[in-house]
Amino acid sequence: DTEVTQTPKHLVMGMTNKKSLKCEQHMGHRAMYWYKQKAKKPPELMFVYSYEKLSINESVPSRFSPECPNSSLLNLHLHALQPEDSALYLCASSQAGRGLAGVPDTQYFGPGTRLTVL
Amino acid sequence: GIQVEQSPPDLILQEGANSTLRCNFSDSVNNLQWFHQNPWGQLINLFYIPSGTKQNGRLSATTVATERYSLLYISSSQTTDSGVYFCAVGQGAQKLVFGQGTRLTINP
Repeated sequence: DTEVTQTPKHLVMGMTNKKSLKCEQHMGHRAMYWYKQKAKKPPELMFVYSYEKLSINESVPSRFSPECPNSSLLNLHLHALQPEDSALYLCASSQAGRGLAGVPDTQYFGPGTRLTVL
Repeated sequence: GIQVEQSPPDLILQEGANSTLRCNFSDSVNNLQWFHQNPWGQLINLFYIPSGTKQNGRLSATTVATERYSLLYISSSQTTDSGVYFCAVGQGAQKLVFGQGTRLTINP
């Protein structure tokens, strides 16, 4: 099974709301990722968790707060977002959380959450 | 940081045609992946190919790491092949940098 699930599929929120995006995988992967994708643009990396620890933060504003409760789950907590944060938020996972030599670090993506901030 | 350039940006073909998509990158990499994003936004991994050649059905890919480019070949195109094809490269363990993509349209 190479499935990554994300909930919700769509989310509309006001600038004062607090909401969370959820991501789950059951492939035993030890690296999980959050990407942001604006319309007609490529995905941009936001955060990487490796073995449940935050390993990469691409200078993302603090209104985005990631959390990795366990090896299968990844959350993205949203607070005081701006309209320009409206985008498709993609979660991904891969096997080699530590970039082990010779292990293909193929990333598997979820279907995404389409976020609109009013 | 590493730069990734994909060409062509747009490609319109008739069903049954063959196509070649190119990805150039500016520095040595140890991770290179090709993805297909369908019209609904789902990204599907096609190949993990930091070097060498792989084939999967009508799709194949070749990466010449020493010359810093990769090619994705699609043969006998079908309308379901439409979407955006992304090349993504990495130098470290996990960080991938995506190219701008090639938007492929296959007309019946």
